[in-house]
Amino acid sequence: GAVVSQHPSRVICKSGTSVKIECRSLDFQATTMFWYRQFPKQSLMLMATSNEGSKATYEQGVEKDKFLINHASLTLSTLTVTSAHPEDSSFYICSARVIGQGVNTEAFFGQGTRLTVV
Amino acid sequence: QKEVEQDPGPLSVPEGAIVSLNCTYSNSAFQYFMWYRQYSRKGPELLMYTYSSGNKEDGRFTAQVDKSSKYISLFIRDSQPSDSATYLCAMSPTAGNTPLVFGKGTRLSVIA
Repeated sequence: GAVVSQHPSRVICKSGTSVKIECRSLDFQATTMFWYRQFPKQSLMLMATSNEGSKATYEQGVEKDKFLINHASLTLSTLTVTSAHPEDSSFYICSARVIGQGVNTEAFFGQGTRLTVV
Repeated sequence: QKEVEQDPGPLSVPEGAIVSLNCTYSNSAFQYFMWYRQYSRKGPELLMYTYSSGNKEDGRFTAQVDKSSKYISLFIRDSQPSDSATYLCAMSPTAGNTPLVFGKGTRLSVIA
């Protein structure tokens, strides 16, 4: 299946600093990628939809100035957590849907990034 | 009522058992149904994908969709300890670039 690569897998940062997470589609072009946040033992919570060449669409309650999303190419989307605080500590996951012919469509996820803000 | 309901478990079964995981949903527009397996601290891994109603089998896994009842299932035969993970159902009304709607996930433990 298609591969979505996410980097880094784990990051520890100091409170007040910014952290950038990369999400790449390795063998397909992704005009749209999705960013999720997951708390322990909870399901995925959609944060925003990243659109190549245009502004991201944020879900209600997600601060767009805090979670900056850039989708500058068809294979790369980045999520930057700005001025991180301990409450931003979480597991962040990106995904992309493969738009094929006919009715086939599948969504593939990155490996996730565990962010710890100290 | 949430769009997708899934029993979070935990579900514990002995090795070799048949496991049945289920989700119900309320949006009749959903046409694309997926099951993901997620190990701790990893991204979800696509297990099964089904379009509209019917059954799909892949090795020890069988996915069933009953759109008339708005009910989907994942069966795991001859379960193994390595199947211990959280299983998430997901669905979407379109094949386009829209996010999936997820269930909460069911935690499964297969005991050797």
